[in-house]
Amino acid sequence: QSVLTQSPSASGTPGQRVTISCSGSSSNIGSNSVYWYQQFPGTAPKLLIYRNNQRPSGVPDRFSGSKSVTSASLAISGLRSEDEADYYCAAWDDSLSAVVFGGGTKLTVL
Amino acid sequence: QVQLQESGPGLVKPSETLSLTCTVSGYSISSGHYWGWIRQPPGKGLEWIGSRWHSGSTYYNPSLKSRLTISIDTSKNQFSLKLSSVTAADTAVYYCASSITMIGEIDYWGQGTLVTVSS
Repeated sequence: QSVLTQSPSASGTPGQRVTISCSGSSSNIGSNSVYWYQQFPGTAPKLLIYRNNQRPSGVPDRFSGSKSVTSASLAISGLRSEDEADYYCAAWDDSLSAVVFGGGTKLTVL
Repeated sequence: QVQLQESGPGLVKPSETLSLTCTVSGYSISSGHYWGWIRQPPGKGLEWIGSRWHSGSTYYNPSLKSRLTISIDTSKNQFSLKLSSVTAADTAVYYCASSITMIGEIDYWGQGTLVTVSS
């Protein structure tokens, strides 16, 4: 049971906009930055969004992040087949003094 | 560019200690960053194990804390993970990782190494 809650799956067709949500609490998302990671099968995760809505160099602006109170969202616009991957949210939890991850969302491009 | 590479046994017996080393290239460990470990059981999600600030402070997953040690060897530019009294539940791909500013902001990842706990 993950501290951060994500839907196990999401899907969309090429060109669509999809949103992946991450729900937490006041001790994690409510008081700390949210990070999003993208992971392809058999490879290490990659930082996709940092500090709620910032993109590292090289990440397309089709990817965007937002946060509201104790929830966060990752939006992918202009969906492409190469976006098919697992997506994880993460945050520092003040009560646990630990980094907590969501269970991950598997994105399928139909 | 910071590069990380895990090394260590791929098979560990139950009740023994899992030991992994991460060799860092392209950056001096003593200069900064958090250095830590994340694991992923087969077919499952990511679990943060713990991190250590370059100058000493450690942060451990509470569920693993009693069995866990993360240490840094600046002379070899390496950091290591020791997890004692392992069970089959500790079978996972183990990633070493580095965060420049915030522990949760993991900028660099190793390629990962599968460790299986089995007799």
